[in-house]
Amino acid sequence: DAKTTQPPSMDCAEGRAANLPCNHSTISGNEYVYWYRQIHSQGPQYIIHGLKNNETNEMASLIITEDRKSSTLILPHATLRDTAVYYCIVRSTGANSKLTFGKGITLSVRP
Amino acid sequence: GAVVSQHPSRVICKSGTSVKIECRSLDFQATTMFWYRQFPKQSLMLMATSNEGSKATYEQGVEKDKFLINHASLTLSTLTVTSAHPEDSSFYICSARGGLAGGDEQFFGPGTRLTVL
Repeated sequence: DAKTTQPPSMDCAEGRAANLPCNHSTISGNEYVYWYRQIHSQGPQYIIHGLKNNETNEMASLIITEDRKSSTLILPHATLRDTAVYYCIVRSTGANSKLTFGKGITLSVRP
Repeated sequence: GAVVSQHPSRVICKSGTSVKIECRSLDFQATTMFWYRQFPKQSLMLMATSNEGSKATYEQGVEKDKFLINHASLTLSTLTVTSAHPEDSSFYICSARGGLAGGDEQFFGPGTRLTVL
């Protein structure tokens, strides 16, 4: 699976949008971009995933560039409970595919 | 989303004993289950992948005789840490994928904190 690069940390003010970037310049055509987050001492939580079109759900929006070499996860109105480590992962589909976690980005939402 | 549970959530044991951790998919059938380990301030590291009814596939560097994985049904996988030592103290997280409810996404359990004294 291709690797991803994320900044180590960022912060944002409560109520504002949090834009979390991710580079995946070696992504293959059949690999999806997945985002998970991990709140301290809990298991990772699935947020969203996409192939090439932008995606939105009740938690977040995922913007993937046209060349698919980078993406941005957008939390439209960050709250204190969104403070977590966010992981951007690329993964192909299929029975043998695996989610390989990098270091992620630590998002701190300040009051 | 699909729910994955783990039991126990926390366990403390003496060095040399064995510990079993259960992972269940509550509302879907998990054709594939994964076991991860996470040390403090580090990311999740995949230990092994198991398909129902088959032997687990272990990642490089993970001792299969020490970390026994059984995936006997589509809703249950167990990880047994045999002859545990203090260096096995870690946060163990299972994950499940597959079935009508789960689709191709992977859902994670809440984790089990193992402390070996």
